[in-house]
Amino acid sequence: SQQGEEDPQALSIQEGENATMNCSYKTSINNLQWYRQNSGRGLVHLILIRSNEREKHSGRLRVTLDTSKKSSSLLITASRAADTASYFCATPSGGYNKLIFGAGTRLAVHP
Amino acid sequence: DGGITQSPKYLFRKEGQNVTLSCEQNLNHDAMYWYRQDPGQGLRLIYYSQIVNDFQKGDIAEGYSVSREKKESFPLTVTSAQKNPTAFYLCASSILHSSGAYEQYFGPGTRLTVT
Repeated sequence: SQQGEEDPQALSIQEGENATMNCSYKTSINNLQWYRQNSGRGLVHLILIRSNEREKHSGRLRVTLDTSKKSSSLLITASRAADTASYFCATPSGGYNKLIFGAGTRLAVHP
Repeated sequence: DGGITQSPKYLFRKEGQNVTLSCEQNLNHDAMYWYRQDPGQGLRLIYYSQIVNDFQKGDIAEGYSVSREKKESFPLTVTSAQKNPTAFYLCASSILHSSGAYEQYFGPGTRLTVT
């Protein structure tokens, strides 16, 4: 069962540009999380936004959440080649400690 | 990859053989999870365990088995009944976030190839 769907599936930009990834989900949630995965590696937690928050920042990351549209976006500002990775949104499912992950957005940042 | 180790990184097996993937964590987390990831895809939950000696099936448990005899360890066995076992397997554990939600920590993964 897939809850989150990321858009676009792939994104290619130049260093210094901003990258925006979107996530849509189907059911009501109390939080949404974004994770990053470098090729062939495990996922790393980036940021969590609660349902009563509209926007959250962490360094060059900015996450928004619109519960009325059941969507979230992740913005990476001033991207670097090291930001090249896949980015996944994850939402709670069933029990509060289970997550459902979307298919991810593959970001390529070219020097 | 935090305090979660998975071994080996690459594993090759012949069709029809059972294989066990190791997952160990030293984070003192209660909950642990196994996911399967296919190329270009997201993660699908195989099994999860909230406490020692207890585990539940995820979305794609058929052909897999687990045990949770110790808090630190959550091995996954891929049995010969799993029709398409070649995939990247990820283990995770979770901790209660300050916001009341659960944040997951992932191991580096094991890439299993069955021929």
